Amino acid sequence: QVQLVQSGAEVKKPGSSVKVSCKASGGTFSSYSISWVRQAPGQGLQWMGRIIPMFGIVNYAQKFQGRVTINADKSTSTAYMELSSLRSEDTAVYYCARVSSWEYFDFWGQGTLVTVSS
Amino acid sequence: EIVLTQSPGTLSLSPGERATLSCRASQSVSSTYLAWYQQKPGQAPRLLIYGASSRATGIPDRFSGSGSGTDFTLTISRLEPEDFAVYYCQQYGSSVYTFGRGTKLEIK
Repeated sequence: QVQLVQSGAEVKKPGSSVKVSCKASGGTFSSYSISWVRQAPGQGLQWMGRIIPMFGIVNYAQKFQGRVTINADKSTSTAYMELSSLRSEDTAVYYCARVSSWEYFDFWGQGTLVTVSS
Repeated sequence: EIVLTQSPGTLSLSPGERATLSCRASQSVSSTYLAWYQQKPGQAPRLLIYGASSRATGIPDRFSGSGSGTDFTLTISRLEPEDFAVYYCQQYGSSVYTFGRGTKLEIK
């Protein structure tokens, strides 16, 4: 069974950066892509970007271009999402999710709460 | 970017009733790349339907998906107490994924 385990909650100052990890187990890490999706308090789901570890290909949502960096370490089956220039509106739960070959999200991490506050 | 509009925003029904949730796309979406998720408070979303009409592993058959082009529907034939949650549709196209804003299914 595939499991995605994310790093713990973070509290950050405005203008700083945060890096969230997502460690995969139970599947072949390089065979799938990993996406990052965030959810602000009381709001819907927002796709941020994805990485295809096998090819090192990365795509970002236009909204986050220039502020988000997604990478992966195949040796540890871990994906990372770094968001910079944080502002209060970035306060959200950040999820990683495995993307199937039919482009749906079949397994999700437990979520990481990032709070941006001065 | 394709925009997905879900309606209604909130649906109030009683257990045992039938629920019909709509997801309309701003332009045509491949049925292959249309999915539905259920999310309960404090939990990650759970995949219900993929390919517009295929149930994910372990999903009860009271959940069904249909539609094509720009109009898609999630139907829950007879609501169980555990079905009251928020439901999202999601599509993929041109290396971009988008979600609808969700429909909250609440107990009447």
